[in-house]
Order: sequence, then C-alpha cells, then structure tokens
Amino acid sequence: DAGVIQSPRHEVTEMGQEVTLRCKPISGHNSLFWYRQTMMRGLELLIYFNNNVPIDDSGMPEDRFSAKMPNASFSTLKIQPSEPRDSAVYFCASRPGTKSSYEQYFGPGTRLTVT
Amino acid sequence: AQSVTQLGSHVSVSEGALVLLRCNYSSSVPPYLFWYVQYPNQGLQLLLKYTTGATLVKGINGFEAEFKKSETSFHLTKPSAHMSDAAEYFCAVRGATNDYKLSFGAGTTVTVRA
Repeated sequence: DAGVIQSPRHEVTEMGQEVTLRCKPISGHNSLFWYRQTMMRGLELLIYFNNNVPIDDSGMPEDRFSAKMPNASFSTLKIQPSEPRDSAVYFCASRPGTKSSYEQYFGPGTRLTVT
Repeated sequence: AQSVTQLGSHVSVSEGALVLLRCNYSSSVPPYLFWYVQYPNQGLQLLLKYTTGATLVKGINGFEAEFKKSETSFHLTKPSAHMSDAAEYFCAVRGATNDYKLSFGAGTTVTVRA
C-alpha cells in the first residue's frame, strides 16, 4: 500500500513568495495532520482535519498560514507571504478511520527553505 | 491534559549493548502510548503501540516497550543495539477520548558506537 505522499520533497523560495505544500493521505484514513519540525521548536502540530473538516487549528502560527482539505484524498498547506523563519520540515500524517485507532502515519516531509 | 516526558535528549550506546529509552506520561484518560523512530531526512515511523491488554508490547526491529501504570512509564528497550538503530526516537500519548491529536515528547537521539 502507498503511504502518505507529500510534494514537493524540497522547496526553496524567496521571502515574500507564496508556497503550497501538498499531501495525499493513505486511502481509507479519515484524519489528517500537518506538523512542522525545526531544531529549535521540535515537532509542532499546526492543524488537523477529521472527515475533511478542520478540528483544531490552534497551532497555525499566524494568518499567513492556511490549510485546506477539499476531499478525503488531498490537502494543502499554504504560506503567503513566506518568511525566512518559516524554514522547516513540514510533515503530513494520516490516521485510520476506525474510532479506536489513534496511531498516525507520517509522510516523508517537505523541506522548505525561505531565503 | 496529556503530556509526555522523555528523559535524556541524547543516548550513546555501544553496538551490541542494551538500548533503554525512558518515557513518562501524564494522562487524564486511559493512555494509548506510541513510540516512533525518525531516521535522518525521513518522516516518523511507528515502532510500536500500546492501547489495552498485554502490557509488554513488541514492535519492529527488535524493539519492545512495557506499560507500567503505577509508574506512568512506557520505556523502550532493545537487547542488542545495531548501527542501524542510530536515529531519533519519540514517545507519544493520545489526547482525550475522540480527540485524535498525539502529544509527542521532545525526542531522544540515539548514537551507536562501533
């Protein structure tokens, strides 16, 4: 089975540009999570969706960040405008659809560098 | 609120020696506990999980963890370290019932000496 798919794997952009990160969760999973990982702050949950609906976005740093999940098989995380401090590895994860399943399966990440 | 504390941000072991990574949790609901491993430049990979039932849980790559409710601990062990075990390890606990967030520890980096 294919795991969580993220694209691009690497992104280098200039400050002020818009960045869109993409995620395809595992088929049949109905929760999706976006994380950011940096050396300074570790692993941070940005937002999570259940059945395509945003449940908790309290970790989204500021209005420059937005996330959407238009259907069960696709999600985007957008940063507009990007800033150097947004440089990090962004992970997407998904959770199986059964009520008792809490484990998350992570994608390979997108390494974002903002210059 | 649920939280996890990992004791020791770095652990160094000799090849063939016991690996012991410590995790203590706090939870207001019956805890579901997880260990993840992250190899360099990769995503987190689920090593093992505890939900209910047997308190000694076996995972991939020869790792196991024991849930001890009285000690609020979920330590990860491997009897004999291999060079390929060099990675960062994260302990996590679930959120409240039907809250599907996980609370992660800060991680423990394992280095293996030849």
